[in-house]
Amino acid sequence: GAGVSQSPSNKVTEKGKDVELRCDPISGHTALYWYRQSLGQGLEFLIYFQGNSAPDKSGLPSDRFSAERTGGSVSTLTIQRTQQEDSAVYLCASSLSRNEKLFFGSGTQLSVL
Amino acid sequence: RKEVEQDPGPFNVPEGATVAFNCTYSNSASQSFFWYRQDCRKEPKLLMSVYSSGNEDGRFTAQLNRASQYISLLIRDSKLSDSATYLCVVRGNTGFQKLVFGTGTRLLVSP
Repeated sequence: GAGVSQSPSNKVTEKGKDVELRCDPISGHTALYWYRQSLGQGLEFLIYFQGNSAPDKSGLPSDRFSAERTGGSVSTLTIQRTQQEDSAVYLCASSLSRNEKLFFGSGTQLSVL
Repeated sequence: RKEVEQDPGPFNVPEGATVAFNCTYSNSASQSFFWYRQDCRKEPKLLMSVYSSGNEDGRFTAQLNRASQYISLLIRDSKLSDSATYLCVVRGNTGFQKLVFGTGTRLLVSP
């Protein structure tokens, strides 16, 4: 069956540009998470969506980062005015419900030049 | 202090060896514990959950020590295919109970 799909797989952008990263979760999964992983670092929580509840945005590092989830399915993570320190792998995961096993997508490698 | 701490390694072991990793967590109220495996340039995948009574899955044994706030993973009879980074993961008990990931322990199994 289809897993979590992320696009693009790689994104190279110039400092100051905006980028959008897309996540298509597993069908029927109500919970969706965004994490990022910098080289040699652990996964850093960014944001969490659960059904129709207000998202938990407590991990977003600055107001340049935002995310939305339309129709309880596809999610888009937007980074405005990208900085070099935003370079990382952005991982999306979904789960059947809040406390269930997470399934990760293969990530988007973002490089800000 | 990090919420979840692991020795980054690498642990270099020969095939057939037994190797153990530990992980410590700072939040004594944490409820759930997991080991994830991450291959180079791949996404993390759940290896096993960790239960209070300890649990085993084939060559892998996970244990939890709540009093000392650490989790362990034991791999017996190491295979070349076990080479990966092992992530210790803890779920809190407040808010939405987000998963907190350690930075991982790298294992290299050689012939």
